[in-house]
Amino acid sequence: AQTVTQSQPEMSVQEAETVTLSCTYDTSESDYYLFWYKQPPSRQMILVIRQEAYKQQNATENRFSVNFQKAAKSFSLKISDSQLGDAAMYFCAYRSEGGSEKLVFGKGTKLTVNP
Amino acid sequence: DVKVTQSSRYLVKRTGEKVFLECVQDMDHENMFWYRQDPGLGLRLIYFSYDVKMKEKGDIPEGYSVSREKKERFSLILESASTNQTSMYLCASSFLLGAGYTFGSGTRLTVV
Repeated sequence: AQTVTQSQPEMSVQEAETVTLSCTYDTSESDYYLFWYKQPPSRQMILVIRQEAYKQQNATENRFSVNFQKAAKSFSLKISDSQLGDAAMYFCAYRSEGGSEKLVFGKGTKLTVNP
Repeated sequence: DVKVTQSSRYLVKRTGEKVFLECVQDMDHENMFWYRQDPGLGLRLIYFSYDVKMKEKGDIPEGYSVSREKKERFSLILESASTNQTSMYLCASSFLLGAGYTFGSGTRLTVV
């Protein structure tokens, strides 16, 4: 079974600076999808960014980008120019390319943004 | 504005009660999911459904059942609530392969 590990339970960053959240996963599959989700204190989970494993180019969404290292099974999230609204729990998730749509989540990283 | 709606934001129930958590999506999605979220444990899949009347167990189905009579509605049932089922419950739906989920706002259930 696939597993997702987020080794940093908590992180903090100064406003306007850059922070990187780590995620590693374990799989024997070659095709899959990876996601980062954000859960602000209001609780609604929202999708931040996604990456298809067959794409070598790292995904980018505005201030959010990933560093996808397939051989190392690593999928880190970089947040540039951090804003107070970025404070949230961040979850890394894995989905197999075939089979069901179910996601396997990591345990999350709580990000604090200091003014 | 597309959404996944969970009927209750907060719920307090007594041990032994039968509890229904309701989830409705307006996006015509085939797939719907129930997760529970606990501090330090992340999100764990309870049940999911990929079509009307179809369901599959997730990683922690014990003590739970589900119902999907209509495409837009997916209900989670706690047959006999226990204190270890006190948790945040998140419903989600998805459509496109690999597109990710749309989540509801969650239901904080406390069993006393």
